[in-house]
Amino acid sequence: EPEVTQTPSHQVTQMGQEVILRCVPISNHLYFYWYRQILGQKVEFLVSFYNNEISEKSEIFDDQFSVERPDGSNFTLKIRSTKLEDSAMYFCASSVEWGYTFGSGTRLTVV
Amino acid sequence: GESVGLHLPTLSVQEGDNSIINCAYSNSASDYFIWYKQESGKGPQFIIDIRSNMDKRQGQRVTVLLNKTVKHLSLQIAATQPGDSAVYFCAETSSGNTPLVFGKGTRLSVIA
Repeated sequence: EPEVTQTPSHQVTQMGQEVILRCVPISNHLYFYWYRQILGQKVEFLVSFYNNEISEKSEIFDDQFSVERPDGSNFTLKIRSTKLEDSAMYFCASSVEWGYTFGSGTRLTVV
Repeated sequence: GESVGLHLPTLSVQEGDNSIINCAYSNSASDYFIWYKQESGKGPQFIIDIRSNMDKRQGQRVTVLLNKTVKHLSLQIAATQPGDSAVYFCAETSSGNTPLVFGKGTRLSVIA
């Protein structure tokens, strides 16, 4: 069964550092998403991406965040200057029509 | 905004019993609803979905019921097994390929 693949599974970074989280969506999916889940809380939408541009973003997705599809397979989330409150699980998802598939997530720990 | 904390609602059931997990959704314009299962340290795993033109859909051991009048969604798991222990989230969206809005989640604990 096709999977959404995320790397790394766990990232520890110093406050103020830049991090890049990577995702390989399912190959025939056209819509890509990043979600965040702070420990013990619900999954929150960050941004959606279609046709090489952001289609929708939440208020969480401020100027510190950016997304990119640098080639035909990868989809990245960059946080420019991490804050302690950015510590969370970050999930990538992709969809086609009515089917959404999530990756296993990257646990980001900002120290 | 709504308040969320570290403590999820918990449902404890005996192995073999049926489980019912409830969800109140927020947007009357939502057209598509999904139940996800999340095990510790993993991503949301699709269980079952339903469109707003239906009020019931059945899968293997799972049934989703949709009541649009009161904006309520439920997940029924038949013959609950220890492997069903996880956090369950409902999610809603207005159409395909639009962002999902997740509910708070319910922790299901199966007692062997």
